[in-house]
Amino acid sequence: DAKTTQPNSMESNEEEPVHLPCNHSTISGTDYIHWYRQLPSQGPEYVIHGLTSNVNNRMASLAIAEDRKSSTLILHRATLRDAAVYYCILPSGNTPLVFGKGTRLSVIA
Amino acid sequence: NAGVTQTPKFQVLKTGQSMTLQCAQDMNHNSMYWYRQDPGMGLRLIYYSASEGTTDKGEVPNGYNVSRLNKREFSLRLESAAPSQTSVYFCASGGLRNQPQHFGDGTRLSIL
Repeated sequence: DAKTTQPNSMESNEEEPVHLPCNHSTISGTDYIHWYRQLPSQGPEYVIHGLTSNVNNRMASLAIAEDRKSSTLILHRATLRDAAVYYCILPSGNTPLVFGKGTRLSVIA
Repeated sequence: NAGVTQTPKFQVLKTGQSMTLQCAQDMNHNSMYWYRQDPGMGLRLIYYSASEGTTDKGEVPNGYNVSRLNKREFSLRLESAAPSQTSVYFCASGGLRNQPQHFGDGTRLSIL
């Protein structure tokens, strides 16, 4: 998998938007950008993925820079339940996903 | 809609005992995986199976064996458990060729 860089931790107030950044300067033209999150005491769960265009689903939005060297996961209105570790991953063909350290998001009531 | 089911959810073993962790998925995925996650650490891949009939080592395979019993089931065996194998074990399926990967709820294993 191409290398990604994320901040170790971030903090947000409840009901405010959260922008989680990810740098992936070595991304290739065919690499998708995937985001997963892991809630406390649970297995990771898929959040969203995209290639070039911004993507939206019921959980979050993914904004991809025009040069694709960075992306941002956007939670439009953070809740306490969104406190988790968020992983930005660039899968590589038929090889298994590699989970790095991710960003630990704390949400303050 | 079960997704990925792991059994058991919790287990305590003594050093040297053997144990098989079970995993089944109902999403018709070809690929399945076993990860371990030590307290406060990231996920590490133990073994995976890209398709029925194939298995491959991941980052930390020593002390483990796997069996891809059929397309649905992928088991992980500890032949002689050691305290260093105390961890939370996650099974997953999907995840190749940009498919989302789906995880089970984990098996919390303690070895005394």
